[in-house]
Amino acid sequence: DTAVSQTPKYLVTQMGNDKSIKCEQNLGHDTMYWYKQDSKKFLKIMFSYNNKELIINETVPNRFSPKSPDKAHLNLHINSLELGDSAVYFCASTLLRDGGTYEQYFGPGTRLTVT
Amino acid sequence: QKEVEQNSGPLSVPEGAIASLNCTYSDRGSQSFFWYRQYSGKSPELIMSIYSNGDKEDGRFTAQLNKASQYVSLLIRDSQPSDSATYLCAVNEYGGGADGLTFGKGTHLIIQP
Repeated sequence: DTAVSQTPKYLVTQMGNDKSIKCEQNLGHDTMYWYKQDSKKFLKIMFSYNNKELIINETVPNRFSPKSPDKAHLNLHINSLELGDSAVYFCASTLLRDGGTYEQYFGPGTRLTVT
Repeated sequence: QKEVEQNSGPLSVPEGAIASLNCTYSDRGSQSFFWYRQYSGKSPELIMSIYSNGDKEDGRFTAQLNKASQYVSLLIRDSQPSDSATYLCAVNEYGGGADGLTFGKGTHLIIQP
């Protein structure tokens, strides 16, 4: 079974539209994240969400908003899409192990193309 | 501003040889260090984690950490063509990972048959 899943896999939309990407993890992890990977393959954290605490990367425009209906889901809503939002968006979640070590697992990614 | 630096490559290594990938980081407070492998069009896959100075071995992979030098490396022994991918170094300041990982831009590794 897929540990972290995202839908849709591909999303093509026009500038100015509003869209959402959904993420679900079935591992019982407490912390979930959204990352953006741009055309140069640079992967950057956008948000982390831990037990209702949201940590926002200050460089993320407020057009982006994470929404967590429950512990297993962290969706990403994007308003007024711009060309520069075109990228691959990855959801991830963290398993905290005994001793303070942890492992972060990524979903398959959503390739967003804004035209 | 936390930074993680990697040589973008491509790094070309003959099959069966040892591939050596390097990474430096700017934040001395970093406590957790990871290597991810990413095939083209796929998501990052965790292959190694290391938390204390020294070496950590897992199969053909060895991660090395030197916190004094702010340096992390990954050695891949007996390199196989299937190891051809982009390798991402990632660090985290806090032990729990609540604020997410800071990634380098990755090293593109090519294993030549």
